[in-house]
Amino acid sequence: AQSVTQLDSQVPVFEEAPVELRCNYSSSVSVYLFWYVQYPNQGLQLLLKYLSGSTLVKGINGFEAEFNKSQTSFHLRKPSVHISDTAEYFCAVTTDMGRRALTFGSGTRLQVQP
Amino acid sequence: GAVVSQHPSRVICKSGTSVKIECRSLDFQATTMFWYRQFPKKSLMLMATSNEGSKATYEQGVEKDKFLINHASLTLSTLTVTSAHPEDSSFYICSATGTSVQETQYFGPGTRLLVL
Repeated sequence: AQSVTQLDSQVPVFEEAPVELRCNYSSSVSVYLFWYVQYPNQGLQLLLKYLSGSTLVKGINGFEAEFNKSQTSFHLRKPSVHISDTAEYFCAVTTDMGRRALTFGSGTRLQVQP
Repeated sequence: GAVVSQHPSRVICKSGTSVKIECRSLDFQATTMFWYRQFPKKSLMLMATSNEGSKATYEQGVEKDKFLINHASLTLSTLTVTSAHPEDSSFYICSATGTSVQETQYFGPGTRLLVL
């Protein structure tokens, strides 16, 4: 079975500063990785995904993530955050694209301060 | 991107009644739909996986007689919470995927259930 660890439950950051949200996974087989964002009282929106190919993945809203197989990580980064980026961010993994169920991390609350 | 809707967005019901939540894929055929439950300030917990025309596969610890899932068509899955109790109050989120959506799960906006 796979698992996902998001080490930081909350990340406060000032507007226009860079941010990195950490995600580590555990699996004995190949994985497919995702980052989702959830705004208050809303569902999840896909930010980006890694299925194969280039390990640097660019997503929406200026976010990017890098798949590092040796460190089993898939950290999310943005060079300059905005107030509107304040939300909950979830890292997710699946090892079975046929079944495609996702295992989610516990989430990281990004709080952008003016 | 693909769109998934849920109805209702929020519902309040009395203890002992049943509540049905609908999940629809609006612009693609959803061969597989998933139902998740999210507690306040917590992550999403997979409840069950449903494939069109088949019985749902429930995760360990999820009562199949309590949470009835039907996936009768390629665009609709329903979750019925039977004999709801206050502890069933939660945020229920569905997601859908299909061969035409590049192996990505698209999530509905969620349904907030409050059982009094």
